[in-house]
Amino acid sequence: AQTVTQSQPEMSVQEAETVTLSCTYDTSESDYYLFWYKQPPSRQMILVIRQEAYKQQNATENRFSVNFQKAAKSFSLKISDSQLGDAAMYFCAYRSAMNFGNEKLTFGTGTRLTIIP
Amino acid sequence: GAGVSQSPSNKVTEKGKDVELRCDPISGHTALYWYRQSLGQGLEFLIYFQGNSAPDKSGLPSDRFSAERTGGSVSTLTIQRTQQEDSAVYLCASSRVSRGEQFFGPGTRLTVL
Repeated sequence: AQTVTQSQPEMSVQEAETVTLSCTYDTSESDYYLFWYKQPPSRQMILVIRQEAYKQQNATENRFSVNFQKAAKSFSLKISDSQLGDAAMYFCAYRSAMNFGNEKLTFGTGTRLTIIP
Repeated sequence: GAGVSQSPSNKVTEKGKDVELRCDPISGHTALYWYRQSLGQGLEFLIYFQGNSAPDKSGLPSDRFSAERTGGSVSTLTIQRTQQEDSAVYLCASSRVSRGEQFFGPGTRLTVL
């Protein structure tokens, strides 16, 4: 079974600064997807960024980028120019790409990000 | 277009009662997922539907939990004889195709007294 670990329960960053959230995972599969989701107080999970394991290039979405280290099974999220609206819980998630019907997301325990004005 | 909607937003029930939670996926989305978010267990997968079939129901915690999907659209998650440990936020997600991006609803917060 796959596991996802987020070792930082809480993080804080000054507005306009850069912050990195950590995620490690454990899997024996070679083909999979990794995601970062944001959950604001409204409870609705929002996809921030995704990475296909077969791609060596790190994914980027505007101020959000990842550092994907496949051999180390590490998948960190970097938020540049932090904004007040970035305050939320951030979840790292894994999904297999190996088996038909195995569609579920496996989530880490989350990191609560606070933005300091 | 409209996103995934869930009802009710909040539900308070007494131990031993049955509850039904509803999910309306995004129109045209063939895949639908239920997850549970609780303080003790984090975010857990419950069940996945492709159309009206459930190829993966491995996350349902006990036989008190069941789910169905009709018309390839609306899904209902039923919890029978609720227990206090069932208290959680139940999240529903849908995707256009299997393995597509999962779009989440706002969840139903269930409190069992």
